[in-house]
Amino acid sequence: EPEVTQTPSHQVTQMGQEVILRCVPISNHLYFYWYRQILGQKVEFLVSFYNNEISEKSEIFDDQFSVERPDGSNFTLKIRSTKLEDSAMYFCASSDPGAGNEKLFFGSGTQLSVL
Amino acid sequence: DAKTTQPPSMDCAEGRAANLPCNHSTISGNEYVYWYRQIHSQGPQYIIHGLKNNETNEMASLIITEDRKSSTLILPHATLRDTAVYYCIVNNDYKLSFGAGTTVTVRA
Repeated sequence: EPEVTQTPSHQVTQMGQEVILRCVPISNHLYFYWYRQILGQKVEFLVSFYNNEISEKSEIFDDQFSVERPDGSNFTLKIRSTKLEDSAMYFCASSDPGAGNEKLFFGSGTQLSVL
Repeated sequence: DAKTTQPPSMDCAEGRAANLPCNHSTISGNEYVYWYRQIHSQGPQYIIHGLKNNETNEMASLIITEDRKSSTLILPHATLRDTAVYYCIVNNDYKLSFGAGTTVTVRA
């Protein structure tokens, strides 16, 4: 079965550094998402992306965050200047509008640790 | 702004059916009921969804009451690999709002 792939699985960075989290969505999907989960807390929506632009973002997704689809396969989340509170598991997801947007396929996540 | 209420935890014996309840008394007419699960910090996994009719797939069955104010997810023959947090989500778009879910522990 096709799957969403995320790299790296773990990322350790120093506070103030930039990080880029990478995702390869399922190939025929057109909607892409980032969610995050702080340890012990709920899974939270960050941003959705369709047709090469952000379609919706949460209040968490401030100016320090950006997303990009640099080529036909990758979808990236950039955090410009990381803070301690950005430490979390970040999940990428994608969906196929033809099958109904509600069925999201999630990757296994990137654990980001900001020191 | 949780739209669903689920018990925080439940145990189930391996091989038996697991019935997971969810209350969504404020659901509106165009909102679907979705179920996802998360196995030990992996990415959430879609299980099933429905609008008003009962649904079944290879993973589970979803029973929605006639007034749509509650639903039950049924795992027909629970295995140890079904141990996970199960999320009931009411929504009509792609932006999923995860609550705390029900932690289901399947015991041998």
